Amino acid sequence: DTEVTQTPKHLVMGMTNKKSLKCEQHMGHRAMYWYKQKAKKPPELMFVYSYEKLSINESVPSRFSPECPNSSLLNLHLHALQPEDSALYLCASSAPLSSYNSPLHFGNGTRLTVT
Amino acid sequence: QQQVKQSPQSLIVQKGGISIINCAYENTAFDYFPWYQQFPGKGPALLIAIRPDVSEKKEGRFTISFNKSAKQFSLHIMDSQPGDSATYFCAASRGWGSARQLTFGSGTQLTVLP
Repeated sequence: DTEVTQTPKHLVMGMTNKKSLKCEQHMGHRAMYWYKQKAKKPPELMFVYSYEKLSINESVPSRFSPECPNSSLLNLHLHALQPEDSALYLCASSAPLSSYNSPLHFGNGTRLTVT
Repeated sequence: QQQVKQSPQSLIVQKGGISIINCAYENTAFDYFPWYQQFPGKGPALLIAIRPDVSEKKEGRFTISFNKSAKQFSLHIMDSQPGDSATYFCAASRGWGSARQLTFGSGTQLTVLP
């Protein structure tokens, strides 16, 4: 089990649905990340939150809306998705940069299928 | 300059053999080089990592060799086991504000035959 917990593990949604993915960590990390991973590909960065503020948005379509309610929680709100958005969505966290070589710790992801 | 090149794309090794995966980078701003192991249906898990001022790091059966002048690094898995069968991603990292920017290689699918 990882120290980054993601729920749900699996999600099937229609193109008109609204759903949310949830990520939680209790390691005291102050940077949190959303990645998208297609089959047989490396993870692709979507968003970065640093100290609960959005610091990086990698030109992600507005149908994906991130939210960081507090230092332990990260949400990804989904609306009007397309079938090509089906993928494994990974959350990660890392310690403040003052911690030398702070690696990213990943959750096990949410497998999203858009029908 | 942000790219990390990884080879081979797939690797088949007999049980007990040595698995070697190679990576190369261009951007000298990278300051940390982790390897991630990913099993099907799971997220990437940090396996081992190295700083550029160190030429080799060993943890159990896993060793990273790092050549700063050549901008290359590699993962060696000694005495490979069927349980090591997974996808391995090398990565290069640098600070980005108070977060970390992580650039992944394309991945290597390792199969260890019993």
